[in-house]
Amino acid sequence: DAKTTQPPSMDCAEGRAANLPCNHSTISGNEYVYWYRQIHSQGPQYIIHGLKNNETNEMASLIITEDRKSSTLILPHATLRDTAVYYCIVRVKAAGNKLTFGGGTRVLVKP
Amino acid sequence: GAVVSQHPSWVICKSGTSVKIECRSLDFQATTMFWYRQFPKQSLMLMATSNEGSKATYEQGVEKDKFLINHASLTLSTLTVTSAHPEDSSFYICSALDTATDTQYFGPGTRLTVL
Repeated sequence: DAKTTQPPSMDCAEGRAANLPCNHSTISGNEYVYWYRQIHSQGPQYIIHGLKNNETNEMASLIITEDRKSSTLILPHATLRDTAVYYCIVRVKAAGNKLTFGGGTRVLVKP
Repeated sequence: GAVVSQHPSWVICKSGTSVKIECRSLDFQATTMFWYRQFPKQSLMLMATSNEGSKATYEQGVEKDKFLINHASLTLSTLTVTSAHPEDSSFYICSALDTATDTQYFGPGTRLTVL
């Protein structure tokens, strides 16, 4: 699976949009971009995934560049409960394929 | 949404004893489940892939005789840490693959402390 690069940490203001970048310059054509987050002492929580089109759900939006070499996860209105480590992972969408977690981005939402 | 549970949420045991951790997919069937381990201030590390009705596939460096995995049904996988030692103390997390969406959903984790 392609490697991803994320900033180690970032601060966000409560109520503002949080834009989390991820670089995956070696992504293959059949690899999807997945985002998970892990709140302290809990298991990771699935957020969203996409292939090449932008995606939106009740939690977030995923913007993937046209060349697919990078993406941005957008939390539209960050709350204090969004403080977590956010992981961007790319993988082939096939049954049984593993998720390889990198260091992620530690996001701190401040009042 | 897809829910995965783990039991127990935390366990303390004496060195040399065995501990079993259960992972259940509550609202979907999972032919494939995964077991991860996470040490403090580190990321998740995959230990093994659990396949229903067959042997688990272990990652390099993970002792299969120490970490026994059983996936006897489509909703339950168990991880048994045998002859636990203090260095096995960690946060163990499972995930289950929902084939309908090809998305892994994670359990809440089990914190193991070996004295």
